[in-house]
Amino acid sequence: DAMVIQNPRYQVTQFGKPVTLSCSQTLNHNVMYWYQQKSSQAPKLLFHYYDKDFNNEADTPDNFQSRRPNTSFCFLDIRSPGLGDAAMYLCATSSAGQGRGYTEAFFGQGTRLTVV
Amino acid sequence: AQSVSQHNHHVILSEAASLELGCNYSYGGTVNLFWYVQYPGQHLQLLLKYFSGDPLVKGIKGFEAEFIKSKFSFNLRKPSVQWSDTAEYFCAVNAYNTDKLIFGTGTRLQVFP
Repeated sequence: DAMVIQNPRYQVTQFGKPVTLSCSQTLNHNVMYWYQQKSSQAPKLLFHYYDKDFNNEADTPDNFQSRRPNTSFCFLDIRSPGLGDAAMYLCATSSAGQGRGYTEAFFGQGTRLTVV
Repeated sequence: AQSVSQHNHHVILSEAASLELGCNYSYGGTVNLFWYVQYPGQHLQLLLKYFSGDPLVKGIKGFEAEFIKSKFSFNLRKPSVQWSDTAEYFCAVNAYNTDKLIFGTGTRLQVFP
């Protein structure tokens, strides 16, 4: 039973054409994360939501945006994809933060983005 | 700021050899520690985690890790590796009372029969 679901698994987009990646979860976790993982590198945290509170990493380019309309869904928008944005994008969830304790992060299968 | 270091970038072993992968973190406060594994073409999966208590934790598939607070380390071990352990291994740290999980650069393990 998939708990963190990312769609699509593979996405091809044109250079400069906006693209949206989606993530949904059935765990009712309050925290959702987006990571970028390039080949043979560690997942790099782009941003995360604690409930509706958005937390951007300082080095995340402005080209990357996110939306979380409700607990279950979270979207990653890339406004103008460049060749350097080709990567695997990972969504994860956890029950965490602000003195409420932390559990492990659960990851989706990822969306592999190709920019042509 | 938190950071995580994995000094072994690529490890090659024969089956039945023993494994130890290093992980060090920089954060002065309380931490939660994790090892994740990523098999080829698959998503990240949790191998084991440390929150508190016994610093020697056991995970799935015969893996274990030891938290040594004085050394800021959380090394992963397995007494006898199998070909099926071929994968990328990531150490990750969550600073207590934060929401963030920060990963190390990963170690690629190749096990030959």
